[in-house]
Amino acid sequence: QKEVEQNSGPLSVPEGAIASLNCTYSDRGSQSFFWYRQYSGKSPELIMSIYSNGDKEDGRFTAQLNKASQYVSLLIRDSQPSDSATYLCAAIKAAGNKLTFGGGTRVLVKP
Amino acid sequence: EAGVAQSPRYKIIEKRQSVAFWCNPISGHATLYWYQQILGQGPKLLIQFQNNGVVDDSQLPKDRFSAERLKGVDSTLKIQPAKLEDSAVYLCASSLRRITSGGETQYFGPGTRLLVL
Repeated sequence: QKEVEQNSGPLSVPEGAIASLNCTYSDRGSQSFFWYRQYSGKSPELIMSIYSNGDKEDGRFTAQLNKASQYVSLLIRDSQPSDSATYLCAAIKAAGNKLTFGGGTRVLVKP
Repeated sequence: EAGVAQSPRYKIIEKRQSVAFWCNPISGHATLYWYQQILGQGPKLLIQFQNNGVVDDSQLPKDRFSAERLKGVDSTLKIQPAKLEDSAVYLCASSLRRITSGGETQYFGPGTRLLVL
């Protein structure tokens, strides 16, 4: 079982709709979670981090964390073609310092 | 502020040859990371340095991979000899401090794309 799992997609979303991305993790010791965006041929860039149960909003992005269910999600509201990218979920344990990435979900926003 | 610099950007070698990658982190960043990203997968941490000391190299194939950060600034990652399965993007990242439970951001360089034939 992979430590961080994501559906590889592609997740096809019409422009203006909400894109919903999911991520599950196996290690209950994981405390902090991150969403990175990676455009094709580019390096990952951090878009959101979340540490507590509940929702965290930043612009059009909302991250949701449910530690009991070991589940992290990312919502992208009013999706734009420029949001087309691979979204990587990552987790880190409280006692460790290693970021473990999922395989990424490819998102395609169609005009 | 300048970002993380990496060179070369692309490299094509034949199997069993050696190759080296260079990384210069953001000025003042104490922690440096090397990741391997195989096509279609997420980045996998190979080695993490705190200043010039190794914090984690548990996933580094030490029979062929080596890395150093002698003066606590820039770093090199070497593969010798290369195998076909080493074809990947090698990403360098840096952060001001070690990532623990949160609050620290890793900044990634543009990566080096390696193709082993």
